[in-house]
Parts: sequence; C-alpha cells; structure tokens
Amino acid sequence: DTGVSQDPRHKITKRGQNVTFRCDPISEHNRLYWYRQTLGQGPEFLTYFQNEAQLEKSRLLSDRFSAERPKGSFSTLEIQRTEQGDSAMYLCASSLNSGNQETQYFGPGTRLLVL
Amino acid sequence: AQSVAQPEDQVNVAEGNPLTVKCTYSVSGNPYLFWYVQYPNRGLQFLLKYITGDNLVKGSYGFEAEFNKSQTSFHLKKPSALVSDSALYFCAVSELYNFNKFYFGSGTKLNVKP
Repeated sequence: DTGVSQDPRHKITKRGQNVTFRCDPISEHNRLYWYRQTLGQGPEFLTYFQNEAQLEKSRLLSDRFSAERPKGSFSTLEIQRTEQGDSAMYLCASSLNSGNQETQYFGPGTRLLVL
Repeated sequence: AQSVAQPEDQVNVAEGNPLTVKCTYSVSGNPYLFWYVQYPNRGLQFLLKYITGDNLVKGSYGFEAEFNKSQTSFHLKKPSALVSDSALYFCAVSELYNFNKFYFGSGTKLNVKP
C-alpha cells in the first residue's frame, strides 16, 4: 500500500457527460502527478502540481481536461464532454520535493469507460 | 527526445530460473531510471531506481537492475523467479534536471510458470 488513494476506482459514463476524479496523495508529499494509461501502453504524463501550483501540462491534456489542487493537498481531474477515446486508466502519483531525485508513488488508478 | 524501449512484450520463465526484463533508454542528459511493477487492477509499485554510483542497484522483492551507460540499458534481473513475480513491469526514465516528468516504456508481461 503506497498511501496514494483515488476515487472512484471505476467509472462508466456516456459520451458527452462530465466526470471528475479525486486523488489524495501521501500526506507529506508536495508534488502530485496525473498520468493516463491505455491498454497495452505505459503511463503517459498529463500534468504536475507542486503544492497548489500547476507547473506543467502535457499536450495530451486537451481543453476538455482540467486539473486542480486547491489547497495543495488532494487533487481533482475533470473531463468535460467525454469521448470514447478518453477511456483509459487515470493514475495519480505523488512525491516529496527533497532537492534530490524523487520516487513517484502511485495510487490504484481510476478506470474510465466511456460508452 | 526522451524515451524508453522495452523490446519484449512478454517474457516467460520457469519458477526458480533467473529472469531478465530488458529496458533501453534515450535522454538528452544523464538519466534517472526506475522500475515499477503493476499487478492486475492495481497501480504501479516502485521496485528500484538508479541515480548515480554503483551500476548494480538492488530493490524490493529480490530484484536488481544493472545500469549500462555505453549500451543505454537498465535491465531488470532476479536470480530465482517466483510464480508470484508474474505481473506487468514498466521501466521509466527522467532527466537529471527535469525529474518531475517520467517517461514510461510500454511494459513487459512476465509469466513465471511453476
């Protein structure tokens, strides 16, 4: 158990609906990451927060995607007007900025199926 | 561009035999290298990492990995495989001064047969 939790674990939605996922990082970790993993592929970086600041976003993160980390603790990832191509596992990870190389610890993921 | 290649989609090995899961990388500077394992319907679990120093890195569950700069490789190894090692293994790389972003390989499915 890495200590990163994600909710929900599974989500089925119809195309065009909005969905929101939550990630709770390890409590002392100030960095938080979102990745997307499709079947047969490794995780792909989506975005990254240091405390409440969103410092980097991937080109994969279209304008239908938005992520927040309002108080520098938990984070939410919202997908608006979902498309079938959004079906994937969404992984959250956290790390502690220690000035040295950091290990990212992953949550169990949220599996999204868009019908 | 940063990238990781895992040339084998699947590795089959008998229990008790040594195992190797291959990984090669490409980065513009010095790499940080990681191995993670993923069990079905679970997130990724950290196994080990290479930052600097000894080229042979030891990690969790008896796994180790060897960093080879000339071959740009970071192969995962274990002297004696267990059936419970059967899972999906991912290699990842990040750059020395951009360690907030990991680049993952496509994964290798390890099957350990009794």
